[in-house]
Amino acid sequence: DQQVKQNSPSLSVQEGRISILNCDYTNSMFDYFLWYKKYPAEGPTFLISISSIKDKNEDGRFTVFLNKSAKHLSLHIVPSQPGDSAVYFCAALEGTASKLTFGTGTRLQVTL
Amino acid sequence: EAGVVQSPRYKIIEKKQPVAFWCNPISGHNTLYWYRQNLGQGPELLIRYENEEAVDDSQLPKDRFSAERLKGVDSTLKIQPAELGDSAVYLCASSLVGPYEQYFGPGTRLTVT
Repeated sequence: DQQVKQNSPSLSVQEGRISILNCDYTNSMFDYFLWYKKYPAEGPTFLISISSIKDKNEDGRFTVFLNKSAKHLSLHIVPSQPGDSAVYFCAALEGTASKLTFGTGTRLQVTL
Repeated sequence: EAGVVQSPRYKIIEKKQPVAFWCNPISGHNTLYWYRQNLGQGPELLIRYENEEAVDDSQLPKDRFSAERLKGVDSTLKIQPAELGDSAVYLCASSLVGPYEQYFGPGTRLTVT
């Protein structure tokens, strides 16, 4: 049972344009969401997060939007840069549990 | 600040052989995690330590997997005997306070033949 889903395995975007990565979840007990970025042969690195009491969180070029009623979140990268090319994982936390549940990842390629 | 260190980076073994992975977390991080990442999947938690205590090992296949974190710092994850299905990347992560920002090591890629 995949509780966190990233239905797009890959995405290609031109440099300077907006990248939108999507994530859906099924567990209504999730109350904190994170995005991780992963380069080949490296471990995931934390990018940005959002609490369920908010609907938007922004950090520089990265913005995460949360739609609780739709159980959907998205990561916007504006403008996209070649260095953003990586695999992006959506992850979720439930209440007092400390277990991160990850999605399957979306591979973003930013082309020149 | 040094990141999470893992060794070895790559390991190839035959099935039924034992294997061990080592992790040194970021200094001062009390919480340590071991994850397994299968190809095309996200990481899945195997075990979480708070200092020396394993507080969540519900996803650890205890018939063949074991882990320890002596003195609440370094940790070792062992598989004995390894099976073909154990081929994956084993990631170690640590966090200072709570699970919100976990810092991951580069992982150990295990191939069981």
